[in-house]
Amino acid sequence: SQQGEEDPQALSIQEGENATMNCSYKTSINNLQWYRQNSGRGLVHLILIRSNEREKHSGRLRVTLDTSKKSSSLLITASRAADTASYFCATVSGTYKYIFGTGTRLKVLA
Amino acid sequence: KAGVTQTPRYLIKTRGQQVTLSCSPISGHRSVSWYQQTPGQGLQFLFEYFSETQRNKGNFPGRFSGRQFSNSRSEMNVSTLELGDSALYLCASSWVQSSGANVLTFGAGSRLTVL
Repeated sequence: SQQGEEDPQALSIQEGENATMNCSYKTSINNLQWYRQNSGRGLVHLILIRSNEREKHSGRLRVTLDTSKKSSSLLITASRAADTASYFCATVSGTYKYIFGTGTRLKVLA
Repeated sequence: KAGVTQTPRYLIKTRGQQVTLSCSPISGHRSVSWYQQTPGQGLQFLFEYFSETQRNKGNFPGRFSGRQFSNSRSEMNVSTLELGDSALYLCASSWVQSSGANVLTFGAGSRLTVL
């Protein structure tokens, strides 16, 4: 399969804790993006990191990229119940080729 | 700015029928792509259109087709429906930057159930 792999598949944490999810991919990329999906809805873009960047921050989000290991991680700090959703990484290569990971289901308990 | 609009949101069809799904991208977005999402296969890329031309195509049978109109609105069609076509079909539009980096904005999806 060309899909990226995300780890863990599911994660359950308490409100206020940090959540970390990982993404591994197989091909060379232009950039890597993270998206969130609330149950049965469309995906929402969270953050983009270019292949020549190693770390990016946006609010409570921190993403890292290691192109030598073909992996990325997304850290959500001080999680809230509203962060409960599925999170997907997407690698972008070529003119327009998005490959989505299998997703991590995050549940934040109040 | 209005978001990406997909219609219909829900539909039920029977095997052998065909279905057409519609997607209106964000105004000014010229690239529209379609994805199929199922619990077993995850998000699978169907095709992408830019300025009425199919630029990329995923690994789906010919029963799946699409088109884009001059106003960037897009439709996808699935003929001879099979049970396995039951899925959430997502449309996304994006603004293609000169650097090549772009971001997808998704619609809420069309949930197709094939009986």
